[in-house]
Amino acid sequence: KNQVEQSPQSLIILEGKNCTLQCNYTVSPFSNLRWYKQDTGRGPVSLTIMTFSENTKSNGRYTATLDADTKQSSLHITASQLSDSASYICVVTVNSGGYQKVTFGTGTKLQVIP
Amino acid sequence: DTEVTQTPKHLVMGMTNKKSLKCEQHMGHRAMYWYKQKAKKPPELMFVYSYEKLSINESVPSRFSPECPNSSLLNLHLHALQPEDSALYLCASSQGGGESYEQYFGPGTRLTVT
Repeated sequence: KNQVEQSPQSLIILEGKNCTLQCNYTVSPFSNLRWYKQDTGRGPVSLTIMTFSENTKSNGRYTATLDADTKQSSLHITASQLSDSASYICVVTVNSGGYQKVTFGTGTKLQVIP
Repeated sequence: DTEVTQTPKHLVMGMTNKKSLKCEQHMGHRAMYWYKQKAKKPPELMFVYSYEKLSINESVPSRFSPECPNSSLLNLHLHALQPEDSALYLCASSQGGGESYEQYFGPGTRLTVT
C-alpha cells in the first residue's frame, strides 16, 4: 500500500469551476508536504509547501490545507482554467540530514474542459 | 535563478549503446536526485547525492551509473539498457534536507530504448 494516497484518481471539471483534490498519507514523521503540478512529459513544478506546523498555504488560485492529526491534505483550485489540466501530485518529505527522502502520491489527473 | 536544466530533452538509443544524461543547477544546492518516471505513474527515486557523495542507491541495476563531478553537475551514464528502461528521467535538486527547502525538478529527458 502506497504511503501517500490521492483521490480522486482523475477528475473532469468545467472551466471556471472549483475543485478539491485529496491526499492521505501515513509517512511519519515528515518534514514537509508539497503539492506539485506536472504537465505530461514535463518535470513537476511546485505549487505549495507546508511544514508540520502549517495548516494552510495559498499560491494564487491554489490553496493547500494540512491536518497533521488526521494526516490529510487537500488542494483547492479556484476558478479553474484550461491550463490547469495536468496531474497533481502530493509529496511527503522526510529530512534525512543532507538531503530529502520524498514519497510521491499516486497523483490526480485533472482535465478542465470548456 | 531557480532552474534545473537537463540535456538532452529526448534520447533514442539501442540496447548496445552507451549514452549519458546531464543535469545542471546553479542554485548552490548540495543535494541532487535522479528519478525515473513511467507513464501515468509517480516518479521513482533512483539515486541521491549529498555534498557530491552518493547517499542513496535504490537498488538500481548497474547498467545505470550516476556521477557527480562537482556540486552543480549530475550525470547518469547508461549502458546496455533494456526496452523496459524507456521512461522520463527527472533530475532534481534541493538546498539540503531542511524542512523548508524546496526540491526543484528539471524538465526531464525522455528516453526510448529500442
